[in-house]
Amino acid sequence: QITLKESGPTLVKPTQTLTLTCTFSGFSLSTSGVGVGWIRQPPGKALEWLALIYWDDDKRYSPSLKSRLTITKDTSKNQVVLTMTNMDPVDTATYYCALTHPYRPFDSWGQGTLVTVSS
Amino acid sequence: DIQMTQSPSSLSASVGDRVTITCRASQGISNSLAWYQQKPGKAPNLLLYAASRLESGVPSRFSGSGSGTDHTLTISSLQPEDFATYYCQQYYSTPGTFGQGTRLEIK
Repeated sequence: QITLKESGPTLVKPTQTLTLTCTFSGFSLSTSGVGVGWIRQPPGKALEWLALIYWDDDKRYSPSLKSRLTITKDTSKNQVVLTMTNMDPVDTATYYCALTHPYRPFDSWGQGTLVTVSS
Repeated sequence: DIQMTQSPSSLSASVGDRVTITCRASQGISNSLAWYQQKPGKAPNLLLYAASRLESGVPSRFSGSGSGTDHTLTISSLQPEDFATYYCQQYYSTPGTFGQGTRLEIK
């Protein structure tokens, strides 16, 4: 059974750096073609693709947020970490991590974690 | 980035109705198109991928079609549990952009 779960702070202050961890089970991020991505959703708004890391450490970022994002993986811990610098109230959203396989979209998602940016 | 334009943004329908949601990509994406269903407070759930392939466990009343830039999701006979928000996503290239969503409401 595949599971993913996001963890991290629920509240961050403007200008701070957000660090979110996706802990997963039921698959290995060292399997060829597998990737784990991050997607966010501001309250009442649409989904936004943020970043994706593949089994071979290939990393992809949203161009509009690339300067603020870093995605890394720890295969031994079954974790993917996303950091986002210089947080702003507009970054308030539910952040999801999700699994992708070759030539497929995100087919398993975590439950999401709501991050509020406020002083 | 490839822009995904979804329409309509909202839709009112009755149980038993047939509904269609469209998604247009700003450039060709072949059949690299997915549809998700999202209910309030829940993560999106994958319904279809490769434009027309039904994900395991998804009812056959859901179907998809399209290739290139224009894609559609059809629900043949709406059930009460289908009232939700639907998103398309292209995964032809990164970033894998999403449409703005279609909120399907009970009439």
